[in-house]
Amino acid sequence: GESVGLHLPTLSVQEGDNSIINCAYSNSASDYFIWYKQESGKGPQFIIDIRSNMDKRQGQRVTVLLNKTVKHLSLQIAATQPGDSAVYFCAENGGRGGSNYKLTFGKGTLLTVNP
Amino acid sequence: GAGVSQSPRYKVTKRGQDVALRCDPISGHVSLYWYRQALGQGPEFLTYFNYEAQQDKSGLPNDRFSAERPEGSISTLTIQRTEQRDSAMYRCASSLNLRGSYEQYFGPGTRLTVT
Repeated sequence: GESVGLHLPTLSVQEGDNSIINCAYSNSASDYFIWYKQESGKGPQFIIDIRSNMDKRQGQRVTVLLNKTVKHLSLQIAATQPGDSAVYFCAENGGRGGSNYKLTFGKGTLLTVNP
Repeated sequence: GAGVSQSPRYKVTKRGQDVALRCDPISGHVSLYWYRQALGQGPEFLTYFNYEAQQDKSGLPNDRFSAERPEGSISTLTIQRTEQRDSAMYRCASSLNLRGSYEQYFGPGTRLTVT
């Protein structure tokens, strides 16, 4: 399969630890943000989203934090599992009134979970 | 249920040839998106449809690239007179766009190699 992990920031964690993946976005007008997970050889898979009127949103084992002041987004994964190993991308919508059609993706972070 | 499908999964073509990449979105999804993804990078927006109407084609690199979705379902991305720089993974995504559900579901992609 293809590798999407070349020349990417990497994060290596032990199974069971918590992971934090960070993303700096560029457009202060963006009002919708998404985290995607991409496993090798597959397309990006939606994890969680957040709108700019929130600063925190929780899902199953994942939490997204948004700091609009410094244009920073983070993804926290609790009790990281080997199946979480993948490249993680943040994406922003550039501020189109909440529609998300034209997403701009960040560079991605490769998460490796060691058993 | 069935996800987004793309065909062919791999395409090797000679420089100067035309290629047509097909995307079959999830049934009932209103919006369809085309992205290009270089190795180690996030997807880059190319164009977007609501039903059969092309809403935004600002991401298409030049006039050799075109896309259509004539019946509001299947879409074709066509690249004329291919060049080596067109080599990339081309990904399609679709979203439901009802009641605030804008999550984009990505297909497996078509790996295009221009020799």
